[in-house]
Amino acid sequence: DAKTTQPPSMDCAEGRAANLPCNHSTISGNEYVYWYRQIHSQGPQYIIHGLKNNETNEMASLIITEDRKSSTLILPHATLRDTAVYYCIVRVPGSARQLTFGSGTQLTVLP
Amino acid sequence: DAGVIQSPRHEVTEMGQEVTLRCKPISGHNSLFWYRQTMMRGLELLIYFNNNVPIDDSGMPEDRFSAKMPNASFSTLKIQPSEPRDSAVYFCASTPLGHTNEKLFFGSGTQLSVL
Repeated sequence: DAKTTQPPSMDCAEGRAANLPCNHSTISGNEYVYWYRQIHSQGPQYIIHGLKNNETNEMASLIITEDRKSSTLILPHATLRDTAVYYCIVRVPGSARQLTFGSGTQLTVLP
Repeated sequence: DAGVIQSPRHEVTEMGQEVTLRCKPISGHNSLFWYRQTMMRGLELLIYFNNNVPIDDSGMPEDRFSAKMPNASFSTLKIQPSEPRDSAVYFCASTPLGHTNEKLFFGSGTQLSVL
């Protein structure tokens, strides 16, 4: 699976958009980008995933650059409850190896 | 749906004792995963099952660790004997077989402290 690079921490003001970047310059053509988050004392929670088109769901939007070497997770109106560690993962769906979580980005939403 | 259910929520034990962690996956999910999380190593996959059969246990740290899935609705992770370095949060996750196995549903975890 392609290696990902994320900033270790970010702050965001409550009500503003949180933009979390992820670099995956070695991503291959059949690898998808997945995002999970982990709120303190809870298990990781799936957020969104995509291949090359931008994706949006009720939780977030995922913007993948045209060359697919980087992506951005956008939380449009961050709340205090969005404070969590956010993990960016790239992999081929259904491959034998399972999800590997890196160190992620600690997002702190400030009041 | 109640989600993935893990028990106990917290476990404190003494070195050398046997520890059993339990997991009930979401009904209808055929793949089950055990993860361990520590500050030093982050989230690590220990083992996963498809249709109650262990597929990959390469993440199990040593022979003191064992996992079973006797049926589709129950799995255990056992540590015998336990050691202080086993202290961690242990998560169970499940997903429907045939799914991409990327959208995992995690339980709330078991916080294990070995004194």
